[in-house]
Amino acid sequence: DAKTTQPPSMDCAEGRAANLPCNHSTISGNEYVYWYRQIHSQGPQYIIHGLKNNETNEMASLIITEDRKSSTLILPHATLRDTAVYYCIVRDLQGAQKLVFGQGTRLTINP
Amino acid sequence: GAVVSQHPSRVICKSGTSVKIECRSLDFQATTMFWYRQFPKQSLMLMATSNEGSKATYEQGVEKDKFLINHASLTLSTLTVTSAHPEDSSFYICSATGTTTGEKLFFGSGTQLSVL
Repeated sequence: DAKTTQPPSMDCAEGRAANLPCNHSTISGNEYVYWYRQIHSQGPQYIIHGLKNNETNEMASLIITEDRKSSTLILPHATLRDTAVYYCIVRDLQGAQKLVFGQGTRLTINP
Repeated sequence: GAVVSQHPSRVICKSGTSVKIECRSLDFQATTMFWYRQFPKQSLMLMATSNEGSKATYEQGVEKDKFLINHASLTLSTLTVTSAHPEDSSFYICSATGTTTGEKLFFGSGTQLSVL
């Protein structure tokens, strides 16, 4: 079962920052937070992941709260091509290492 | 990022026939591959995990005799849908990770299976 909770949908204006929240209150110490996105009829695309420190790459920033019970994915300057379903997933790298997807957030970037 | 190639992208078959889907890691050795299925407007559902050279581990409720998974090499895994029926019509997606992919897991582009 998925161990994360996300809002089903969000809207954001083009050029603005998109902030996608994720709740993972039952996360354990070995579990990382991963973010993937899926554009219609394609395979999921890796965005970013982290354990407890904030992370940034060319696509996005990941902010993880100090208690690790929630996180926020930030797309700093959203474009129309960022319209997709965004999945927040917790993954245990010491166990089965599988990614179990929840329902995700459908992000729509509006012109 | 690493490249995972999935083939075919789309397949239509008659009810009762078997269909094989291939998943290849093009620039890394995939020690572990995962197979998912996705119905329209739904999330991805994990079907099974396969480690190279070992039998696949299936998720609860997934029929192992119907969905045959082979991971005989470090660059190829196959999913065979045996005796396909219309209810097996779905989007099938593979993903892979290996010793050089770090903590990341990469996905193929998916296969849309339609069973008539």
